[in-house]
Amino acid sequence: TQLLEQSPQFLSIQEGENLTVYCNSSSVFSSLQWYRQEPGEGPVLLVTVVTGGEVKKLKRLTFQFGDARKDSSLHITAAQPGDTGLYLCAGSNTGNQFYFGTGTSLTVIP
Amino acid sequence: NAGVTQTPKFRILKIGQSMTLQCTQDMNHNYMYWYRQDPGMGLKLIYYSVGAGITDKGEVPNGYNVSRSTTEDFPLRLELAAPSQTSVYFCASSRGTGVGSNQPQHFGDGTRLSIL
Repeated sequence: TQLLEQSPQFLSIQEGENLTVYCNSSSVFSSLQWYRQEPGEGPVLLVTVVTGGEVKKLKRLTFQFGDARKDSSLHITAAQPGDTGLYLCAGSNTGNQFYFGTGTSLTVIP
Repeated sequence: NAGVTQTPKFRILKIGQSMTLQCTQDMNHNYMYWYRQDPGMGLKLIYYSVGAGITDKGEVPNGYNVSRSTTEDFPLRLELAAPSQTSVYFCASSRGTGVGSNQPQHFGDGTRLSIL
């Protein structure tokens, strides 16, 4: 059973385009994190959201936590080749575990 | 700064062999985790630890064992390797300030394990 579903699974776009990645669940999470992973390396944290409806911006990346804390989105404006990577969402409930999504593999073509 | 260090980076095992994947962190983090990552499946939690001497099962613990004798080290043991355990294994640590902690997890670079 996959608690967190991400879509799309694969995304290939031209440099300069905008894109949105979704992370959905039927479960409520106390917090949600987004990570980016490059080939041969471990995931690196981008952001943590904890409040329903919260929006956080990190340069050209905008993260939103759903009002019901069951879903999240990541929007990238004017994508660049350096944004290429695997994007993972991870949700935490009241325990000590994080549940990772299936991942979105993004390729930005110069 | 070393962060989280995993060894070995690559390993090939025969079915039925055993091995230990090493993980050490130098950030004095209380929480440590072991994940496996399979293509298209994200990361699945195998075991985790909230401090020295304490370990708990994650989503997919069968076929694995862990120990946490020190804050720094969290080795993962495979006793009887099976083809289904072919995967990339990641160790992570976090400061973990309690239930529902929002602290970031710091990951190692992974161990690629193939069971033939």
